[in-house]
Amino acid sequence: DGGITQSPKYLFRKEGQNVTLSCEQNLNHDAMYWYRQDPGQGLRLIYYSQIVNDFQKGDIAEGYSVSREKKESFPLTVTSAQKNPTAFYLCASRDLGGTEAFFGQGTRLTVV
Amino acid sequence: DQQVKQNSPSLSVQEGRISILNCDYTNSMFDYFLWYKKYPAEGPTFLISISSIKDKNEDGRFTVFLNKSAKHLSLHIVPSQPGDSAVYFCAASEGYGGSQGNLIFGKGTKLSVKP
Repeated sequence: DGGITQSPKYLFRKEGQNVTLSCEQNLNHDAMYWYRQDPGQGLRLIYYSQIVNDFQKGDIAEGYSVSREKKESFPLTVTSAQKNPTAFYLCASRDLGGTEAFFGQGTRLTVV
Repeated sequence: DQQVKQNSPSLSVQEGRISILNCDYTNSMFDYFLWYKKYPAEGPTFLISISSIKDKNEDGRFTVFLNKSAKHLSLHIVPSQPGDSAVYFCAASEGYGGSQGNLIFGKGTKLSVKP
């Protein structure tokens, strides 16, 4: 089945540690995105990539980093510089010639 | 500044009645609009979309209306069912097919459909 997979579903991190969230898609989509959801804040764009080895900052990129070494994969690293990392993180992909974006099931990150 | 606004955080509707969810946007370059439905702790799922060359798009119980001059779109659900209870996000992008990139989302409206 084609789709977009995020792992893990739940993640706990100690304050001051970096953590990497995985996102893999087998839809052959060119574009991939990372969003963050906080209560009452909707979905805010962290980073996006439209082609391998290239990515752009979104609205709230500070404290995050990404890589796009393969078309299928777009991992997000939440660094210790991110002040409020506890949130629900969503990865999405979209065909540049297509329409809607498809989302993964999300990763709930909690800093303890 | 928010480019996509959903001014009603919540909406409660009786089963069988119409649900109307509203969305306003400020960027006149947006020409493709989408609605997503989201349950707690899950990713959003695509519901329906409309391009700026249309003013209406219908899919079963769901209809989206676009008023470009007012920079306003709405999602109508008729008849509403308890399973429609979820958070609905409005999203917009410049360029059909994402050629200009990104989907900009509103903050969402939580719809509750009461039996």
